[in-house]
Amino acid sequence: EPEVTQTPSHQVTQMGQEVILRCVPISNHLYFYWYRQILGQKVEFLVSFYNNEISEKSEIFDDQFSVERPDGSNFTLKIRSTKLEDSAMYFCASSEWGFGYTFGSGTRLTVV
Amino acid sequence: KQEVTQIPAALSVPEGENLVLNCSFTDSAIYNLQWFRQDPGKGLTSLLLIQSSQREQTSGRLNASLDKSSGRSTLYIAASQPGDSATYLCAADTGTASKLTFGTGTRLQVTL
Repeated sequence: EPEVTQTPSHQVTQMGQEVILRCVPISNHLYFYWYRQILGQKVEFLVSFYNNEISEKSEIFDDQFSVERPDGSNFTLKIRSTKLEDSAMYFCASSEWGFGYTFGSGTRLTVV
Repeated sequence: KQEVTQIPAALSVPEGENLVLNCSFTDSAIYNLQWFRQDPGKGLTSLLLIQSSQREQTSGRLNASLDKSSGRSTLYIAASQPGDSATYLCAADTGTASKLTFGTGTRLQVTL
């Protein structure tokens, strides 16, 4: 069964550093997403991406965040200057229209 | 703004019991309703997807129903097993493949 692949599985970074989280969505999917889950809290929507542009973003997705599809297979989330409160599990997802969402196994980001 | 609530927050049952997990959403104009399973510290595994035109979906021992007019979905697990122990999340799709709004989750423990 096709999978969404995320790397790394765990990243530790110092406050103020830039991080890039990487995802390989399912190849025939057209819609891509990032979600995050702070420990013990709900899974929260960050951003959706379609046709090489952001289609929707949440209030969390401020100027410190950016997304990119640098080639035909990768989808990345960049956090420019990490804060302690950015520590969370970050999930990438992809979908075909109307057929539900497939999530990756997540990247646990720890900001120290 | 869509709000999704799940009750109970936690549930412990002996092996073999049938059980029902509840999910409610405030905006009935959803496109899909998707149920996920999350093991501790892990990613989101899709269990069932109910499209808005459907009333229920079944997969093995799992059955999910959807009543859009009342803003409710239920996940029925038959003959529960210790391997079913996990957190179960429901998520409402607001349509046009834009984003999922997740519930708070039900943490299930099935004991021997």
